Amino acid sequence: EPEVTQTPSHQVTQMGQEVILRCVPISNHLYFYWYRQILGQKVEFLVSFYNNEISEKSEIFDDQFSVERPDGSNFTLKIRSTKLEDSAMYFCASSGIIQETQYFGPGTRLLVL
Amino acid sequence: AQSVTQPDIHITVSEGASLELRCNYSYGATPYLFWYVQSPGQGLQLLLKYFSGDTLVQGIKGFEAEFKRSQSSFNLRKPSVHWSDAAEYFCAVGDSGGGADGLTFGKGTHLIIQP
Repeated sequence: EPEVTQTPSHQVTQMGQEVILRCVPISNHLYFYWYRQILGQKVEFLVSFYNNEISEKSEIFDDQFSVERPDGSNFTLKIRSTKLEDSAMYFCASSGIIQETQYFGPGTRLLVL
Repeated sequence: AQSVTQPDIHITVSEGASLELRCNYSYGATPYLFWYVQSPGQGLQLLLKYFSGDTLVQGIKGFEAEFKRSQSSFNLRKPSVHWSDAAEYFCAVGDSGGGADGLTFGKGTHLIIQP
């Protein structure tokens, strides 16, 4: 069964450093999403992406964040200058058509020191 | 704005007993509703979903949920739980209005199974 994959599974970085989280969505899906889950809290929507541009974004997704689909398979989330409060699990998701089921990847646990 | 409330932070159930996890939502129209499960250190696995039609939906692992519009609820049930069901359960609502908004999740219910 096709699945969403994410790399790395864990990342530790120093405050102020840039990080790039990578995702490979399900191959025939068209809509891509990033969510985050701070430890012990609920999953929060960051951004959705369609047709090579941002479709929707939450108030969390500020100028420190960017997304890109650099090729036909990868979908990345970049945090330009990480802060301590960026420490969280980051989930990528994809869906085949709008309003359809979103399938989630296993997540990348980011720790900012 | 849509919201999801899961009133129970923790629930403890004996193995073999029945389970009901509560979920209430706030949404202007008929929502898309989901239940996801998260085992420790794992990602989110879809248990079941409701888009339209029959208000009682069946999912994987023997779970079911019932959409009750009058109560704005989408409670998850299982007739007999297994120790492997111990996990975090998240209810989520999606936008049926045509945008590519992300899902809005509840805070989750931590399910503990006791022998």
